[in-house]
Amino acid sequence: KAGVTQTPRYLIKTRGQQVTLSCSPISGHRSVSWYQQTPGQGLQFLFEYFSETQRNKGNFPGRFSGRQFSNSRSEMNVSTLELGDSALYLCASSLEVSSKVFGPGTRLTVL
Amino acid sequence: DQQVKQNSPSLSVQEGRISILNCDYTNSMFDYFLWYKKYPAEGPTFLISISSIKDKNEDGRFTVFLNKSAKHLSLHIVPSQPGDSAVYFCAASEMGGSQGNLIFGKGTKLSVKP
Repeated sequence: KAGVTQTPRYLIKTRGQQVTLSCSPISGHRSVSWYQQTPGQGLQFLFEYFSETQRNKGNFPGRFSGRQFSNSRSEMNVSTLELGDSALYLCASSLEVSSKVFGPGTRLTVL
Repeated sequence: DQQVKQNSPSLSVQEGRISILNCDYTNSMFDYFLWYKKYPAEGPTFLISISSIKDKNEDGRFTVFLNKSAKHLSLHIVPSQPGDSAVYFCAASEMGGSQGNLIFGKGTKLSVKP
């Protein structure tokens, strides 16, 4: 059974640019959540999508957005990148919270 | 305001001994708690969970204890093995875990020495 796939694994951008990250959940999982991990803040919840609808949203500015497609694949977008956006972005898919499976993450570096 | 706190950034334990990782929470609406383990360059891996209707859950070498009155939970690993060396995250959820919003602590780095 394939795990959660995230692309790209590594990304370098400059301030002001925008970026799109992709997540393919485990087959059959309809819920996809996104988290940001930084050394100082740990893992912070960004948003959750279920059946193409945003079900929950964390406390992040509007520059962070996401969407989910009919095949449950999800993308998140960050516009007008700032240095502080440098982080590991993790995607997790699940049927229920207890079965949440995380992908390997996308390491974003903003220069 | 941090709702889930792991006050020990690191812990070092001898192989074969017990590892105890602690976690405190402030939100009384949390009713489902989880522990994740994370190796560098990998995503977190689910370890064990506990519902607020229980005070203990055991899975092999891993046991989670929940003290609701103290808003405190702990993860016990017995016996500790070098392969357990990783960052451990405590996480909490409302609504019995039916939705995906997990609130994580900042993690505790466990080092198990041979």
